[in-house]
Order: sequence, then structure tokens, then C-alpha cells
Amino acid sequence: GESVGLHLPTLSVQEGDNSIINCAYSNSASDYFIWYKQESGKGPQFIIDIRSNMDKRQGQRVTVLLNKTVKHLSLQIAATQPGDSAVYFCAENGSGGSNYKLTFGKGTLLTVNP
Amino acid sequence: GAVVSQHPSWVICKSGTSVKIECRSLDFQATTMFWYRQFPKQSLMLMATSNEGSKATYEQGVEKDKFLINHASLTLSTLTVTSAHPEDSSFYICSAQELAGLATDTQYFGPGTRLTVL
Repeated sequence: GESVGLHLPTLSVQEGDNSIINCAYSNSASDYFIWYKQESGKGPQFIIDIRSNMDKRQGQRVTVLLNKTVKHLSLQIAATQPGDSAVYFCAENGSGGSNYKLTFGKGTLLTVNP
Repeated sequence: GAVVSQHPSWVICKSGTSVKIECRSLDFQATTMFWYRQFPKQSLMLMATSNEGSKATYEQGVEKDKFLINHASLTLSTLTVTSAHPEDSSFYICSAQELAGLATDTQYFGPGTRLTVL
């Protein structure tokens, strides 16, 4: 679980570079995963999702990879822009079916340098 | 589409008073709404799950008598922080899940409400 007082993991990239944000999840029964972007003082914004029957899904400038063997999720952002600077959270739906509760990861602070 | 609003966006209150926060799904009907709490530089922690017309389900450690949730319609849920104290100061965020089958279980989040208790 969360530990109070730990700083957010951070990733600093140059504008135009590709970014890769990683997330480890713990529940092998999770069947639905989502990446959210949260800017300072705002609510999380949906970026992309993936179901457990897939290992890759692409959106506009973003790609999510899922490795169920090692319970790892990653978000790739192509040609990162200053507007991409935010905290990125992965979230998992633990048991699917009628239980739609999400468990959020700790988050990663992405800083894009112009 | 899939817009969720919250009101107010921020509120400052005195210790001991109660504060109500509204969460609305603007362009869809939400079977389920969720309430989260987020402290600075931390992740979102689920407080409770709210289903229209039934009692909310609270997460372990969340006081149901302190955080009253009412899900009056398919587009509105309210969270009332009763007898607020400074330790209740936080960022409260709601999310809504569209009325649909398993294929549409994405949660859409509101912009959050910053509560400061003096």
C-alpha cells in the first residue's frame, strides 16, 4: 500500500523525446487497466485503457503495453510535449464483473523540458 | 462526451461545520459513482462506492457517519463531510461510470473539490 511521505517517482524528458512510464500491479485477477493523467489541481483524465486479453493498444501518440506474466504495465508517449507534463497514474480493476472498483498506483510525475 | 462536474471547486470552512460536495454526470447516466480522497503528492484513495437508489458502500477505515453519501439520481451524487476538522482538509474527487454493460466500465472523473478546514 501507500507509504505516507514518499515522493512521487519522477521522469524528466526533453521535448520531442519519447517517454515511458512504468507501473507494477499486484492483483493477478485484474482484467482491466487504465492510464490517467492528472494535472495540478485537477481531476484525473482518461488516457487509454487495455483489457487483459490484449498485450498492446495504441491511441493517439500513446501506447499501452501489458505484460501479465510479470504484472507490468507501461505507457509510452511519443514526441512528448510540454503539455504532457503531469502526474500519470495506472489503475487496475481488481476483479471485473460487477465490481468496478479501481486501485490506483502511486503515480509518476512527468516533466517535459522545452 | 462523458463529462463529470463537481461543485464547489473549492471550499473553506470552519472546524465543526458540515460541507456538501456535488458530483454530476452531465451527458450520461451513471449507475455508479465513486468518491476518492487525495492528499498532496499521493495517489487517489477510494472512500466509497455509490449506487443510485441504494446505500453507499464504504471502504475500510472510512467513517460512514462522517462522510455521508447520497446518490439521488442517475446523474447526481453528493458527499457531505459532517463536523469537519482540519485533518479532513484534502482534495475530494468523484468519478462516474456509465450505465452500460461490461464493455463500458471506464470511470470518468470530476475536476475535484479542494476542502480546507480552518
